[in-house]
Amino acid sequence: DAGVTQSPTHLIKTRGQQVTLRCSPKSGHDTVSWYQQALGQGPQFIFQYYEEEERQRGNFPDRFSGHQFPNYSSELNVNALLLGDSALYLCASSRQGWNEQFFGPGTRLTVL
Amino acid sequence: RKEVEQDPGPFNVPEGATVAFNCTYSNSASQSFFWYRQDCRKEPKLLMSVYSSGNEDGRFTAQLNRASQYISLLIRDSKLSDSATYLCVVNQNNAGNMLTFGGGTRLMVKP
Repeated sequence: DAGVTQSPTHLIKTRGQQVTLRCSPKSGHDTVSWYQQALGQGPQFIFQYYEEEERQRGNFPDRFSGHQFPNYSSELNVNALLLGDSALYLCASSRQGWNEQFFGPGTRLTVL
Repeated sequence: RKEVEQDPGPFNVPEGATVAFNCTYSNSASQSFFWYRQDCRKEPKLLMSVYSSGNEDGRFTAQLNRASQYISLLIRDSKLSDSATYLCVVNQNNAGNMLTFGGGTRLMVKP
């Protein structure tokens, strides 16, 4: 049983560029949440997708957007990258209505 | 005030020691609570859920005090492999399933 997978593992971009990160949830899970973890801090909730719609959103600007596909996989898009967007981006999957979330290995984004 | 607060540590303890971590949360309407473990440069992994009645899993015991909005994790007989960052996590809305993380407490177990 494959767990949550994310791609790419690492990414280097420059300020102003756009980036797309991908996530495939654990088998049997239908809900995907995205988190940003800056160095030395706990993860911060970006948004959650269920039934191909954004259901909840944290305190992140509109530069952060996402999508969920019919197979439950998801993308996180960040436009107009800033240096402060450098972080580990974590995807977590769960079943709707269940509390426990399982995290993927993350994508480490560096913005130069 | 942060929504979930933890002492960042580090806690340096010898093998075999008992160590306790505490966490406070600000939203009294919070519904569910967890401890996650995160190894260096890895993803968080669910260690255990925390129930009002308290729960134990081997060497790990978690307690919840809703009145004081306080969560604890006790690790007995510490192993070198317990060295990690422990994240206190609160789900403020069961329906929405949005997790709020503390900043983490770093544990270093030494031989």
